[in-house]
Amino acid sequence: DIVLTQSPALAVSLGQRATISCKTNQNVDYYGNSYMHWYQQKPGQQPKLLIYLASNLASGIPARFSGRGSGTDFTLTIDPVEADDTATYYCQQSRNLPTFGAGTKLELK
Amino acid sequence: QVTLKESGPGILQPSQTLSLTCTFSGFSLSTYGMGVGWIRQPSGKGLEWLANIWWDDDKYYNPSLKNRLTISKDTSNNQAFLKITNVDTADTATYYCARLLNSGHGVMDAWGQGASVTVSS
Repeated sequence: DIVLTQSPALAVSLGQRATISCKTNQNVDYYGNSYMHWYQQKPGQQPKLLIYLASNLASGIPARFSGRGSGTDFTLTIDPVEADDTATYYCQQSRNLPTFGAGTKLELK
Repeated sequence: QVTLKESGPGILQPSQTLSLTCTFSGFSLSTYGMGVGWIRQPSGKGLEWLANIWWDDDKYYNPSLKNRLTISKDTSNNQAFLKITNVDTADTATYYCARLLNSGHGVMDAWGQGASVTVSS
């Protein structure tokens, strides 16, 4: 299994930048693509795709969200953070059988 | 517009078989590159991938549950199914189905609202 490690929680002030990290125990790159995706989940709702293949913004997602990284180190950045962004963020790899990180809960200071 | 909706029994007893249905619209599982995955989430916990099925009937299972899982599809009725045998309380969770895109290398780009399943005697 590819294991994804995320910090459990992050507190950020409104209007500031939030950077959420995801580290894998194996390289998830393959033929020029990084098989890493990011999802947002608010309480009582299903997950929503934000970023696919490490850096591609999903349809309808505001440009405040961005992703970068390759190999084993990936980040999701939200800049600037808005009140509606309080949620849990999950990374997921599809290089091998899918696995998810444990999630990072974003809170406002 | 892609939509998915899960349905299940709500509650069942230990040792029974859990049968889940995902009914979707806006795409076809007979179209090249399309797939449906099942993911579950115990209350207050993270996401666990269970199984994927693709347009060409390729199937993949979580190794930790493989012996208990069966995924299938009915392309005529735009449905996908998941069966989990011999359930116990650890299978209590919200079960989601999601559309998979081969062009996105397995990204889950649309999710259903989830079906709550409780295993209790």
